[in-house]
Amino acid sequence: AQRVTQPEKLLSVFKGAPVELKCNYSYSGSPELFWYVQYSRQRLQLLLRHISRESIKGFTADLNKGETSFHLKKPFAQEEDSAMYYCALSPIGTSYGKLTFGQGTILTVHP
Amino acid sequence: EAGVAQSPRYKIIEKRQSVAFWCNPISGHATLYWYQQILGQGPKLLIQFQNNGVVDDSQLPKDRFSAERLKGVDSTLKIQPAKLEDSAVYLCASSLEVFYEQFFGPGTRLTVL
Repeated sequence: AQRVTQPEKLLSVFKGAPVELKCNYSYSGSPELFWYVQYSRQRLQLLLRHISRESIKGFTADLNKGETSFHLKKPFAQEEDSAMYYCALSPIGTSYGKLTFGQGTILTVHP
Repeated sequence: EAGVAQSPRYKIIEKRQSVAFWCNPISGHATLYWYQQILGQGPKLLIQFQNNGVVDDSQLPKDRFSAERLKGVDSTLKIQPAKLEDSAVYLCASSLEVFYEQFFGPGTRLTVL
């Protein structure tokens, strides 16, 4: 079975401060990890996926297979980063696309 | 391009009643997903279609939930009869193929009284 844990339900930082949203996972096979974001009154959307190794809106995430983590980081938070963030996992293989989401972290960036 | 469309946006019913939700995916997207998101939790996959065939429905409570995608385009999700614990937001998502990004609809918020 696959499981995604986001230990922080709420995270508050000030503008310009670094931010790290934690994500830990458990899965016996090879996973692909994602971060999804939902801004106020908007749809859930993909922020980044580890396989593409991109930096989106200044955010990066590194898959650490030893620690089974996929933390999301940004060196300087902006007010527009305030949103709900979900970490998600998909098996690689025949069950690809079967996403398992964490419970989400509400990020608030104060001016 | 137009996004994933869902209707209705809100629905209030009493327990033991039936309800149906509709999803129109992005044109050309072969893969369609239904998720259930209970308040305070992340979305949970209920069923995944590839064209008009079911790929995975292992988490669909089949005693009361059913879903279909007859022509490989639109999809409906039905609950019959509804229980209080079915109160949730039901999200539809689609992707070009299974390995591509999933695009989500706005969701249908169901309240069961």
